[in-house]
Amino acid sequence: NAGVTQTPKFQVLKTGQSMTLQCAQDMNHEYMSWYRQDPGMGLRLIHYSVGAGITDQGEVPNGYNVSRSTTEDFPLRLLSAAPSQTSVYFCASSYSGRVSGANVLTFGAGSRLTVL
Amino acid sequence: AQKVTQAQTEISVVEKEDVTLDCVYETRDTTYYLFWYKQPPSGELVFLIRRNSFDEQNEISGRYSWNFQKSTSSFNFTITASQVVDSAVYFCALIKAAGNKLTFGGGTRVLVKP
Repeated sequence: NAGVTQTPKFQVLKTGQSMTLQCAQDMNHEYMSWYRQDPGMGLRLIHYSVGAGITDQGEVPNGYNVSRSTTEDFPLRLLSAAPSQTSVYFCASSYSGRVSGANVLTFGAGSRLTVL
Repeated sequence: AQKVTQAQTEISVVEKEDVTLDCVYETRDTTYYLFWYKQPPSGELVFLIRRNSFDEQNEISGRYSWNFQKSTSSFNFTITASQVVDSAVYFCALIKAAGNKLTFGGGTRVLVKP
């Protein structure tokens, strides 16, 4: 199994450019989420989804959009990149509800984004 | 609101020493889960443990052990006889039962020197 696949691994953008970070999982997880990791701040939740067609905001949603058209995919869009969005981004997924393993996140390998 | 505090930003030890990572949390929920994740230098995040708020038994897995004390809102993690491969950033995290927002602490970087 591939688990959670994120692309690209590295990206450099200029201020104002837009881009999409792709995330796909093959574990049939209902829950998917995006985090950003900044030094000393741990991981902060950007957006999450509990199923196809359902998304919601996390702690730091401004400047990002998401959609969930299928169970497998959860892309993160930066509409107009800013230097403050320079970070490492992680996609993660898990089962939800009361099943065994619920809430145990499986993470992608991360995407390092630099905005100049 | 939930909050997870890992007061130790970096710990340096010599191989074979024990190291304890502190995690203190805040939540108004009565049912919740606590987690520890490991992030080695390669950058991936690896799940280590999940603990239910109703289960205060300590847990041991090899050289790793966890001490959950609800009375002090702490979920500390000890690595016994540390090895160089334990060098990583360790994150403590919290989610309320049936919740969707996992809250992470700032992480503790552990450096194990040979």
